Amino acid sequence: NAGVTQTPKFQVLKTGQSMTLQCAQDMNHEYMSWYRQDPGMGLRLIHYSVGAGITDQGEVPNGYNVSRSTTEDFPLRLLSAAPSQTSVYFCASRGMYTEAFFGQGTRLTVV
Amino acid sequence: DQQVKQNSPSLSVQEGRISILNCDYTNSMFDYFLWYKKYPAEGPTFLISISSIKDKNEDGRFTVFLNKSAKHLSLHIVPSQPGDSAVYFCAASPSNAGGTSYGKLTFGQGTILTVHP
Repeated sequence: NAGVTQTPKFQVLKTGQSMTLQCAQDMNHEYMSWYRQDPGMGLRLIHYSVGAGITDQGEVPNGYNVSRSTTEDFPLRLLSAAPSQTSVYFCASRGMYTEAFFGQGTRLTVV
Repeated sequence: DQQVKQNSPSLSVQEGRISILNCDYTNSMFDYFLWYKKYPAEGPTFLISISSIKDKNEDGRFTVFLNKSAKHLSLHIVPSQPGDSAVYFCAASPSNAGGTSYGKLTFGQGTILTVHP
């Protein structure tokens, strides 16, 4: 049972480039979400989904897009990378009456 | 507006002693609270949780206390071990599984715990 799998683990982008961070879970969880972790800020919610086809914005959504075409996958797209998006990104999934499970994270640097 | 706050950025404790990590929240809609532990270069892992219908939950060396009137919770680790050295995050969510907000966790800033041998 792999849990929550994120790829890639590390990425360096140039300002203005776009990319997609992948997230997949194999626990059949309804809820999935993306967080970013910055020093002194904890984890802040970017976008989340309550099921396939349903997404909503979190606390810091600007510059990011998401979609949820299947229960298993919840990719995060950076449309035009900016240095302010340098961060560690975590994907999480949560089922009914469970805690949230997190992936290993993607460390992104925008230069 | 920080709805969940961990006011101590770091805590240093001797092995075998008690570690107490604190967390405050402001949003009365939160009624389910979780503690996560995070090692460097890894994702957060779940440690223990508590529902607002309880004031204490215990799991081995870990106990979480909830004071709803003060909107305060704390995590006690007894006895502390060097392997407990990590960043600890407090998180809050609504408890109504099936609601649209159920999947949203609001996190505190984290407390770095160092347990010295």
